[in-house]
Amino acid sequence: KAGVTQTPRYLIKTRGQQVTLSCSPISGHRSVSWYQQTPGQGLQFLFEYFSETQRNKGNFPGRFSGRQFSNSRSEMNVSTLELGDSALYLCASNPTGGPGETQYFGPGTRLLVL
Amino acid sequence: AQTVTQSQPEMSVQEAETVTLSCTYDTSESDYYLFWYKQPPSRQMILVIRQEAYKQQNATENRFSVNFQKAAKSFSLKISDSQLGDAAMYFCAYFNFGNEKLTFGTGTRLTIIP
Repeated sequence: KAGVTQTPRYLIKTRGQQVTLSCSPISGHRSVSWYQQTPGQGLQFLFEYFSETQRNKGNFPGRFSGRQFSNSRSEMNVSTLELGDSALYLCASNPTGGPGETQYFGPGTRLLVL
Repeated sequence: AQTVTQSQPEMSVQEAETVTLSCTYDTSESDYYLFWYKQPPSRQMILVIRQEAYKQQNATENRFSVNFQKAAKSFSLKISDSQLGDAAMYFCAYFNFGNEKLTFGTGTRLTIIP
């Protein structure tokens, strides 16, 4: 099976712009989670989607949003970008998001906000 | 809130030797999962090993094993016969049924010395 894919891999934006990141989970996986990774804060949970519904959400401002499509592909959107949004954004999928399921991570999208 | 602490930002080990990475966590829950994830320089995170809290037996995966001390809330990772390919950031992570999200530690960067 193909692994989790994320596009684009690298992105440069300026403050105030908005950005959309895409994640295609492993075939058959219905749960997709998003994480932000920065040197200062480490890995932080953004949100999780299952069957097109957001099931869990981390402590991020409303500028961070996401959605999931019927084919389980997910997008994450960040509006009004700030310098502090520069990070590696990781997407992970697993079959049902059940307790203790292994998360399969994508390679990440590195976002640089100038 | 649950927290995961990795007190060793960096560790190094001679090739073929054994190294132990530390992780402690704070929780009031009795049922949860613990994970070690590895993030090599290529950035794709992969699962190394996982432990169910209700299991007293320490998990083992080939050269990787854990020392799970539930009362002490400690979950260390032992890597035996270290190989150059083990060089990576290692993240300890916690999952429980209450908030249903993975909480990560800040990571330990492991260097293998040839």
